[in-house]
Amino acid sequence: DSGVTQTPKHLITATGQRVTLRCSPRSGDLSVYWYQQSLDQGLQFLIQYYNGEERAKGNILERFSAQQFPDLHSELNLSSLELGDSALYFCASSVAGWDNEQFFGPGTRLTVL
Amino acid sequence: DQQVKQNSPSLSVQEGRISILNCDYTNSMFDYFLWYKKYPAEGPTFLISISSIKDKNEDGRFTVFLNKSAKHLSLHIVPSQPGDSAVYFCAASDLTGRRALTFGSGTRLQVQP
Repeated sequence: DSGVTQTPKHLITATGQRVTLRCSPRSGDLSVYWYQQSLDQGLQFLIQYYNGEERAKGNILERFSAQQFPDLHSELNLSSLELGDSALYFCASSVAGWDNEQFFGPGTRLTVL
Repeated sequence: DQQVKQNSPSLSVQEGRISILNCDYTNSMFDYFLWYKKYPAEGPTFLISISSIKDKNEDGRFTVFLNKSAKHLSLHIVPSQPGDSAVYFCAASDLTGRRALTFGSGTRLQVQP
């Protein structure tokens, strides 16, 4: 158990809909990262927040957005969903914003029908 | 453009033998490399890492070797155990990328009893 929690575990929705994925980092960690893993692919970095502020952006679509709240939990919002958005979404956390080692949650499996 | 490549999607070894997992990278700005292990329905778990100033790092049965001139790293597991059966991801980070991890596509290791 990494100490990073993600909800929900599974999400099934239809094209065009909007969903919110939630992540709680390990106690004491200030940084949250979001990654997407499509079928048989490596994890793709989406976005990073550090202490409430956006710190780095990867290949995140404009339809996707994220935020980190004062209690340091983070939410990833996915809108106008397409079939290709079906994937595993992982959240990771680290102590600071420049750590090499990140601790991953169990992931949210999103299925868009 | 895949900056981190794991060219072997799968590897099968006998229990007690050595497992060697390989990873190549193209981005010369990467200065820190990590290996993560992933079981089904779980998030990646950090295994071992190496800084670009070193060429070897050892932790119990796990050793990571880095060849900077060849832009190649490998993970050695000796002796391999059935519990090591999992997907292994190579990842890399650099300070210019704010330490977001770039992952390879993974190698599925099966250790046969």
